[in-house]
Amino acid sequence: NAGVTQTPKFQVLKTGQSMTLQCAQDMNHEYMSWYRQDPGMGLRLIHYSVGAGITDQGEVPNGYNVSRSTTEDFPLRLLSAAPSQTSVYFCASRKYRANISGNTIYFGEGSWLTVV
Amino acid sequence: AQSVTQLGSHVSVSEGALVLLRCNYSSSVPPYLFWYVQYPNQGLQLLLKYTTGATLVKGINGFEAEFKKSETSFHLTKPSAHMSDAAEYFCAVSEESNYQLIWGAGTKLIIKP
Repeated sequence: NAGVTQTPKFQVLKTGQSMTLQCAQDMNHEYMSWYRQDPGMGLRLIHYSVGAGITDQGEVPNGYNVSRSTTEDFPLRLLSAAPSQTSVYFCASRKYRANISGNTIYFGEGSWLTVV
Repeated sequence: AQSVTQLGSHVSVSEGALVLLRCNYSSSVPPYLFWYVQYPNQGLQLLLKYTTGATLVKGINGFEAEFKKSETSFHLTKPSAHMSDAAEYFCAVSEESNYQLIWGAGTKLIIKP
């Protein structure tokens, strides 16, 4: 029972490099999202998707791209990494058609990204 | 706009003592309220949630929270702290009209032996 799987767990990037954080879920969840977690700021939504082919911006989308070609996968791309993107990134998923009172959000274990 | 305030970025209690983590929210409509726990180097997992009905909600690991509409609060409590409770706790709120969670900044719970 894999749940939500994120890779890589740790990554160091140089300023200006690009990379992709992978996220996959095996629960047939329609809704997937990416958060970043910074000290004292809780979780902030970067992008989300309510189904294959549908994505939308969250609170802090700048510098990030997403796509949703399949139900299972929701990769997050950093286009040109900046030190301000040093953070812990979490992918999350849940059923979408059920309302939020009836379902639970499942989180991946996080990806620690450092941009130098 | 909704917002969530968690009082205290760090809370320290002795093992066996009462745990009280505070959460206040602002919402123009009755909200859904959640507490999540994050153990070191792990993702978040649901501790408990309030949607409708009984305002005292029991969760995993002996935690409970009470929804007080008049105080716009959803404080998390546990009668007796255990060393394994050391983690970061996040309060979150959502309205039925949308499916996004608004998160508090988190409170790190430290358990003293």
